[in-house]
Amino acid sequence: GQNIDQPTEMTATEGAIVQINCTYQTSGFNGLFWYQQHAGEAPTFLSYNVLDGLEEKGRFSSFLSRSKGYSYLLLKELQMKDSASYLCAVRGGFQKLVFGTGTRLLVSP
Amino acid sequence: NAGVTQTPKFRILKIGQSMTLQCTQDMNHNYMYWYRQDPGMGLKLIYYSVGAGITDKGEVPNGYNVSRSTTEDFPLRLELAAPSQTSVYFCASRSGTSSSYNSPLHFGNGTRLTVT
Repeated sequence: GQNIDQPTEMTATEGAIVQINCTYQTSGFNGLFWYQQHAGEAPTFLSYNVLDGLEEKGRFSSFLSRSKGYSYLLLKELQMKDSASYLCAVRGGFQKLVFGTGTRLLVSP
Repeated sequence: NAGVTQTPKFRILKIGQSMTLQCTQDMNHNYMYWYRQDPGMGLKLIYYSVGAGITDKGEVPNGYNVSRSTTEDFPLRLELAAPSQTSVYFCASRSGTSSSYNSPLHFGNGTRLTVT
């Protein structure tokens, strides 16, 4: 079966660091995506991991451990505009992309 | 750079009515997708297409139909609308060949549909 778990909601303070976790159990694995979705808007691509380890892109980093079925998205130097939902998605087969329910992040001043 | 364009942005339907959600992309992407997003649920795949003339069912295809006559357009048809189809619908596309697992989805801005 396919199962992706993320926390429903997280809060953090401007300037802080936050880690959003994602665990998955899928039949087949061809990479894990993170998307950002502001309220009322479309998801936008943040990162893709297919090998174990950390990928860094500016203030955002994404980590993958395939043996543990685990990923996290790390956001540094939080800004108010980072308040959004963060969606974890796993590509099983070539056209099969399974999304988690998303983590709503609220950044406060 | 228009990307993926969806129309309409909002729509209210009565039970039993039909409508077509339009989606067009100008990035020459082969792969196109329709998702629905319900509160507290992940995006669910309705239908997808790997190229003009080729479509296939996703996880939740019942009550919907699609066609892909051109590379650019991928309309989603709702026949006999039901309250369970109240949702936000996203069209998406991505580039790539048969070996490109890493190409990300580009989403349209969504259509918010209410069926009453």
